[in-house]
Amino acid sequence: DAGVTQSPTHLIKTRGQQVTLRCSPKSGHDTVSWYQQALGQGPQFIFQYYEEEERQRGNFPDRFSGHQFPNYSSELNVNALLLGDSALYLCASSGLGRGSYEQYFGPGTRLTVT
Amino acid sequence: DAKTTQPPSMDCAEGRAANLPCNHSTISGNEYVYWYRQIHSQGPQYIIHGLKNNETNEMASLIITEDRKSSTLILPHATLRDTAVYYCIAHELISSGSARQLTFGSGTQLTVLP
Repeated sequence: DAGVTQSPTHLIKTRGQQVTLRCSPKSGHDTVSWYQQALGQGPQFIFQYYEEEERQRGNFPDRFSGHQFPNYSSELNVNALLLGDSALYLCASSGLGRGSYEQYFGPGTRLTVT
Repeated sequence: DAKTTQPPSMDCAEGRAANLPCNHSTISGNEYVYWYRQIHSQGPQYIIHGLKNNETNEMASLIITEDRKSSTLILPHATLRDTAVYYCIAHELISSGSARQLTFGSGTQLTVLP
């Protein structure tokens, strides 16, 4: 059973560019959350997708957007990249309903903005 | 989610029990205590959670005080592979189709020494 997968593993972009990160949830999971983790800090919640809609959003600007597909996979898009967007981007998936007590995290995508 | 407070770092000898404390004095009645850990350059990994009773699984034990204002995560026989940042999170479960986002603090860096 594959866990949460993310691609790419590493990415280097230039300021002002746009980037798309991808996530496939754990089998049987339908909810995907994205987190940003700056060096030396805990992960910070960006947003969450369920039933192809953004359900919750953290304190991130509109430059951060996302999408969820019918197969529950998800994309995170960041426009007009800033140096401060350099971070580890984590995807987490969870299941439906009361049994959904655990979030499974992927290995992350390391984004470097130069 | 309620704020949690953890020591920034701890050491533990290999083979001994690691006891990681967490204060959550403002926790509400419907918030669970969750523990995740993050090994260097990997995504966070769920360890255990509890509401008011002590809990044990194959990874760890969770002891929650009667007033629920603090808890302790116990790794009974720490190994070098347990070296990681450990996050204590007060987290409300919701029964609808989406899980509330996790609010991570800075966590405790546990170093298991040979």
